[in-house]
Amino acid sequence: AQSVSQHNHHVILSEAASLELGCNYSYGGTVNLFWYVQYPGQHLQLLLKYFSGDPLVKGIKGFEAEFIKSKFSFNLRKPSVQWSDTAEYFCAVNAPGSGYSTLTFGKGTMLLVSP
Amino acid sequence: GAGVSQSPSNKVTEKGKDVELRCDPISGHTALYWYRQSLGQGLEFLIYFQGNSAPDKSGLPSDRFSAERTGGSVSTLTIQRTQQEDSAVYLCASSSTGRRRTDTQYFGPGTRLTVL
Repeated sequence: AQSVSQHNHHVILSEAASLELGCNYSYGGTVNLFWYVQYPGQHLQLLLKYFSGDPLVKGIKGFEAEFIKSKFSFNLRKPSVQWSDTAEYFCAVNAPGSGYSTLTFGKGTMLLVSP
Repeated sequence: GAGVSQSPSNKVTEKGKDVELRCDPISGHTALYWYRQSLGQGLEFLIYFQGNSAPDKSGLPSDRFSAERTGGSVSTLTIQRTQQEDSAVYLCASSSTGRRRTDTQYFGPGTRLTVL
């Protein structure tokens, strides 16, 4: 079964700082990779996704993620964070073992951006 | 509808009571998923529906948990004889087919269940 590991549970940054949130997964075959975001009081929203092709994926609000197959990683990046990026970020994977149906999530990283 | 909707948004119940949580997926989506979000456990998969059948219910934590889906649309998650450890946010998601590799799951706002 696949698993997802997010390196940091809490990250605190000042506005304009650069962000990188780590995500590693364990599955040897073809996977789909996702980053979801949950803003305070809101529901889970898709930030970006990778299915195939260019390993550098661009999402909404200036976020991007890079799929590095050799490292089983899908790290999320943003060059300059804003206070409005304060949220919890979840990395997720689905794989053929689940028929590409169910998502396996990491435990999440809470990002706090101070103004 | 425009998005996945869930009701109630909050539910407080006493230990031992049964509860029903409802999910209304995006119109036309044939795949529906239930997840649970709790402190310390993160987001855990519970059950997946393809139409009205559930090909994967491996995440249901005990036989007190059951779910059904009727008419290929609305789904109900039932928890019998609730326990305090059932307290969590129960999330529902839907995707267009659940069978294509490129399907994306869209999540509802969740139902926060508190068992006293």
